[in-house]
Amino acid sequence: AQSVSQHNHHVILSEAASLELGCNYSYGGTVNLFWYVQYPGQHLQLLLKYFSGDPLVKGIKGFEAEFIKSKFSFNLRKPSVQWSDTAEYFCAVNEAGNMLTFGGGTRLMVKP
Amino acid sequence: DTGVSQDPRHKITKRGQNVTFRCDPISEHNRLYWYRQTLGQGPEFLTYFQNEAQLEKSRLLSDRFSAERPKGSFSTLEIQRTEQGDSAMYLCASSLGQGAYTEAFFGQGTRLTVV
Repeated sequence: AQSVSQHNHHVILSEAASLELGCNYSYGGTVNLFWYVQYPGQHLQLLLKYFSGDPLVKGIKGFEAEFIKSKFSFNLRKPSVQWSDTAEYFCAVNEAGNMLTFGGGTRLMVKP
Repeated sequence: DTGVSQDPRHKITKRGQNVTFRCDPISEHNRLYWYRQTLGQGPEFLTYFQNEAQLEKSRLLSDRFSAERPKGSFSTLEIQRTEQGDSAMYLCASSLGQGAYTEAFFGQGTRLTVV
């Protein structure tokens, strides 16, 4: 069965710092990859997705992620975080069928 | 608001009671999903509908859980004889597509507390 690992459970950054959140998955075949964000009190929102093509994917709010097939990774990055990026971030993988397997999430706190 | 709507937002119930949650997907979305999220964890897949047909079910969906989508529009998730371990956020998501997986949009969830 697919598993998704997010190694950083809590991250604290100051505004303007760079962000990289790790995501690794276990399945070696064709996958679709996603990053979702959940702001406090709000629903999960899609930040970006990878289905095929350019492994460097750009999403909303200045986020990007890079798919590295050889490392089974899909790390999320942002060059300069803002206080408003404080949220919980989830990596998710679709390998087969119509379900997503989520990682455990990373709570990001950005200090103003 | 034309997003995925879930009702109720919060539910507190006594152990052993039955509860039912409702999900209204985005209009014309033919796919509907239920996930469960416990504190400190990511969402876990429960079940998936394509129109009115329930096509996938997780092993997490015990016999006490049943989901329906009778007319291919809204869906209900019922939990019978609730247990404390059922306390979680129940998330509904919907998408539009045929064949391959397509991006799903999530509702705000129903938070269930079993006391």
